[in-house]
Amino acid sequence: GENVEQHPSTLSVQEGDSAVIKCTYSDSASNYFPWYKQELGKRPQLIIDIRSNVGEKKDQRIAVTLNKTAKHFSLHITETQPEDSAVYFCAAISYSGYSTLTFGKGTMLLVSP
Amino acid sequence: KAGVTQTPRYLIKTRGQQVTLSCSPISGHRSVSWYQQTPGQGLQFLFEYFSETQRNKGNFPGRFSGRQFSNSRSEMNVSTLELGDSALYLCASSRTGTAKETQYFGPGTRLLVL
Repeated sequence: GENVEQHPSTLSVQEGDSAVIKCTYSDSASNYFPWYKQELGKRPQLIIDIRSNVGEKKDQRIAVTLNKTAKHFSLHITETQPEDSAVYFCAAISYSGYSTLTFGKGTMLLVSP
Repeated sequence: KAGVTQTPRYLIKTRGQQVTLSCSPISGHRSVSWYQQTPGQGLQFLFEYFSETQRNKGNFPGRFSGRQFSNSRSEMNVSTLELGDSALYLCASSRTGTAKETQYFGPGTRLLVL
């Protein structure tokens, strides 16, 4: 089955800095890669996703890149703000999968004012 | 449109008991997936239901079971509770559950086993 590795497990940045979270996946058939943000005590919420036919996707301060050859994808947050502080999860789903998201272990991002 | 709802939000049980958790998906969504979230293991897939049929199952013991009703609401049951079952149980819904569909999560049920 699919295996997703996520790094780093914790990340501390100053407000205004950029943050990068990296994930690798094992199943070359995986073709959909969502990123979820989970604030303390709240549900995971989708913040951005990328499909395997696209190399990069951007939404305001958030961008995701995908390298299918290397089987890794990354989340980039620019101009970080304190409200970006949360746990971020990457996930992968394969073409043959039915709603079976395989998640990374999560990255706790702390943005200090 | 109302989001995914889960009941109860919090539960305290003792070892050996059983528990039933409920999930109501977004209206029109027919696929419901269940995940267990723990600090050590992160988010792990339990099972997925579509049109009252379990289509996929994760690597959990048979004590974990579920079902889905004709209105797409789903329940999961854990029998003979163990301390290690303490976790946040999340359900997520999507329209048909196929790959590339966004899954929307509920707020979760936090289960504490004493």
